[in-house]
Amino acid sequence: DTGVSQDPRHKITKRGQNVTFRCDPISEHNRLYWYRQTLGQGPEFLTYFQNEAQLEKSRLLSNRFSAERPKGSFSTLEIQRTEQGDSAMYLCASGSTSGAIDGELFFGEGSRLTVL
Amino acid sequence: DQQVKQNSPSLSVQEGRISILNCDYTNSMFDYFLWYKKYPAEGPTFLISISSIKDKNEDGRFTVFLNKSAKHLSLHIVPSQPGDSAVYFCAASKNYGGSQGNLIFGKGTKLSVKP
Repeated sequence: DTGVSQDPRHKITKRGQNVTFRCDPISEHNRLYWYRQTLGQGPEFLTYFQNEAQLEKSRLLSNRFSAERPKGSFSTLEIQRTEQGDSAMYLCASGSTSGAIDGELFFGEGSRLTVL
Repeated sequence: DQQVKQNSPSLSVQEGRISILNCDYTNSMFDYFLWYKKYPAEGPTFLISISSIKDKNEDGRFTVFLNKSAKHLSLHIVPSQPGDSAVYFCAASKNYGGSQGNLIFGKGTKLSVKP
């Protein structure tokens, strides 16, 4: 499968614990994005990388959230001291600056976080 | 405040008829618009896009219309098929041609196409 893959697909944790999600983008894509989606809402932008550089972060991304893309390939999103309000689907997407359609993002299936 | 609005949470259409999904935006800096389709337990998939220099873009059964003066776009699906049943998200972006790819999404419209 050459699409965007995310792991784990579902994570249940207790409030206060740390969680980490991993995203493997489409290999030739240099852009990688994290979005969050809650029930009844559209995806909300969290952060974005071009290669290994984190170029933009949303105000939604509190200091408990950190994302990395150390070698410009896979990315991790870590949430420290989770709160119940962090429960959501975390979507990763990748794209290319040389893509045929500007702005077209290819999404993974998401990692669902449930904080008890 | 929501910059991209999809005011209809759901839409039901008979197979073979036209489906029209609407989207309004408030930020005049948006210059590129996309529609994504999402099936349950899957990530959103790209459907069709339009830049602000156009007022229409067509791809098979899917046509997107853009009315810049009204800050309104719509997606037409003709003819609708049961496999089109999904949640449709409208998204907008700034900086076309050098897009940062930070898409702003609406809340989505759930389309049900009945046989």
